[in-house]
Amino acid sequence: DAGITQSPRYKITETGRQVTLMCHQTWSHSYMFWYRQDLGHGLRLIYYSAAADITDKGEVPDGYVVSRSKTENFPLTLESATRSQTSVYFCASSESGGPYEQYFGPGTRLTVT
Amino acid sequence: GIQVEQSPPDLILQEGANSTLRCNFSDSVNNLQWFHQNPWGQLINLFYIPSGTKQNGRLSATTVATERYSLLYISSSQTTDSGVYFCAGSARGSTLGRLYFGRGTQLTVWP
Repeated sequence: DAGITQSPRYKITETGRQVTLMCHQTWSHSYMFWYRQDLGHGLRLIYYSAAADITDKGEVPDGYVVSRSKTENFPLTLESATRSQTSVYFCASSESGGPYEQYFGPGTRLTVT
Repeated sequence: GIQVEQSPPDLILQEGANSTLRCNFSDSVNNLQWFHQNPWGQLINLFYIPSGTKQNGRLSATTVATERYSLLYISSSQTTDSGVYFCAGSARGSTLGRLYFGRGTQLTVWP
């Protein structure tokens, strides 16, 4: 009964490297989200997915790629990491779109040097 | 997008005190949640409360949807209540349910 998990929990990488953050949920929720949390900006939506193979951009998508081949997984890839992508990344899921409660993973703290 | 204002931004209490945190929305929301971000950074769901009042132990929340605000009450605070409290909501009529977050209230409870 893991709920929603993220891996790795901490990651340090260098500028220019590709990094993939993993998100896995066990509830079979349709919707999944990626947010980033930064001081002064709060949490902002990067990408979301309404179902397997359906993804769309959020507020701050530049420099990120997502995929969703299976309902339970929603990986986020930084194609060429930049220092401005140093942040805490949260994955979330909800049963459906609209007025449904969202549940958040434990977060991944990413540092780009 | 929706603007979310939380007040106060910082709150320092002694153990046993009561407090009220407020969240105002610039537009109508239909998915209002309160979260506690603990010192380890995890976002813990406290309440899903689009309207009305709910209670969970020492915590309770009230949302007045017609006036676009929500309140979180913490009674008999404990040191473990320390952390940041966020409210968030999604736009009424949104089929996505994307959450707009406030900047949070940093709560520190001293023994």
